Amino acid sequence: QVQLQQSGPGLVRPSQTLSLTCAISGDSVSSNSAAWNWIRQSPSRGLEWLGRTYYRSKWYNDYAASVKSRIIIDPDTSKNQFSLQLNSVTAEDTAVYYCARGSRAYHDSWGQGTLVTVSS
Amino acid sequence: DIVMTQTPLSLSVTPGQPASISCKSSQSLLFSDGKTYLSWYLQKPGQSPQLLVYEVSSRFSGVPDRFSGSGSGTDFTLKISRVEAEDVGVYYCMQGIGLPWTFGQGTKVEI
Repeated sequence: QVQLQQSGPGLVRPSQTLSLTCAISGDSVSSNSAAWNWIRQSPSRGLEWLGRTYYRSKWYNDYAASVKSRIIIDPDTSKNQFSLQLNSVTAEDTAVYYCARGSRAYHDSWGQGTLVTVSS
Repeated sequence: DIVMTQTPLSLSVTPGQPASISCKSSQSLLFSDGKTYLSWYLQKPGQSPQLLVYEVSSRFSGVPDRFSGSGSGTDFTLKISRVEAEDVGVYYCMQGIGLPWTFGQGTKVEI
């Protein structure tokens, strides 16, 4: 059974960088069949897919156009986890952030969610 | 981006009665591999979303058979044959035909 455990600060100052980590148990970040995603949820935007990282003989990343200039999703094979960095945050980035294992077919394992508030 | 539109946005149901949620996509969700990538999730109060149905009609492991999905192309439906108290929450559809994956706005089901 796959479990995803999120960690990271719940408060970020405007213009700073939001950083979250998702630790994986029960699967490998280097799996050739899984993709590792970040999704956020806010009252104004609903559920919004942000991006993913996955390994298919080499590492790939895909990002949503809405955040592409500000986002990095990185795997860490030594710790079997992946991270989210979102730069230059504003109040509009305030949301609950989820990591999830998923593909085009479905997202079957989700982290517990982290409420990130952007405020000075 | 593909737009997913759910109706209704809220639904009040009586335990033991059926419920139905519609999801329409702005383009066909039939992929080149012959599969249709439409999935359904339930977000119970205070919890993360959980997978119910994938590829239109395949129930995920452990999901009760009172949940069923149907549809094709751009029109899809999630049905609950007999609603139970534990089914309350917000239901979302999601498309996997093209990035970015997009979700419907959610349907809140309450007893």
